[in-house]
Amino acid sequence: AAGVIQSPRHLIKEKRETATLKCYPIPRHDTVYWYQQGPGQDPQFLISFYEKMQSDKGSIPDRFSAQQFSDYHSELNMSSLELGDSALYFCASSLHSGLPVPYNEQFFGPGTRLTVL
Amino acid sequence: DAKTTQPPSMDCAEGRAANLPCNHSTISGNEYVYWYRQIHSQGPQYIIHGLKNNETNEMASLIITEDRKSSTLILPHATLRDTAVYYCIVSRRSNDYKLSFGAGTTVTVRA
Repeated sequence: AAGVIQSPRHLIKEKRETATLKCYPIPRHDTVYWYQQGPGQDPQFLISFYEKMQSDKGSIPDRFSAQQFSDYHSELNMSSLELGDSALYFCASSLHSGLPVPYNEQFFGPGTRLTVL
Repeated sequence: DAKTTQPPSMDCAEGRAANLPCNHSTISGNEYVYWYRQIHSQGPQYIIHGLKNNETNEMASLIITEDRKSSTLILPHATLRDTAVYYCIVSRRSNDYKLSFGAGTTVTVRA
């Protein structure tokens, strides 16, 4: 079965540079979530989109922005990168009206490992 | 979302059942209990969820107390591949709601 695709899988940037992470949800999934997981930490919710509209927002820095496109893929744009942005970034997708899929079952991608030097 | 409390770590022998407790004493009536796990640096994986009845699927069983203030995830026959961090998450009944990961339980299955 098709899974969530994230690209790139690894990314190395310098401080103050920009980065764009891409997420391709499972076909027919209409909701995308972004999570950040710092070294030794638990995943933290950043932002989510449903039908191309932002549906919820967590502790996402103002330097970050995201959007969901008409084909439901999503991009997380990160500017003025800081050392503390080094983390695993996970994208997850779900189907909004997901019966018989369980409520709120989110399918996670393999993550993008961002290293800021 | 209601806060959850889990033990930080747990060991389990291969082939034995693993019982993972979770306290969620402030859970409200419209909140479900979800369990996810994360195998080292992989994306979290859904295991099971429940509202008030016990649930079972091919991966695990979920036992929720009658007052819904705590639950137990049971892995019936743990294998080495079950070594992971297990997260108990309380979340609203919704198809588009964020998951709030707290400090999970690191389960180590030993041969």
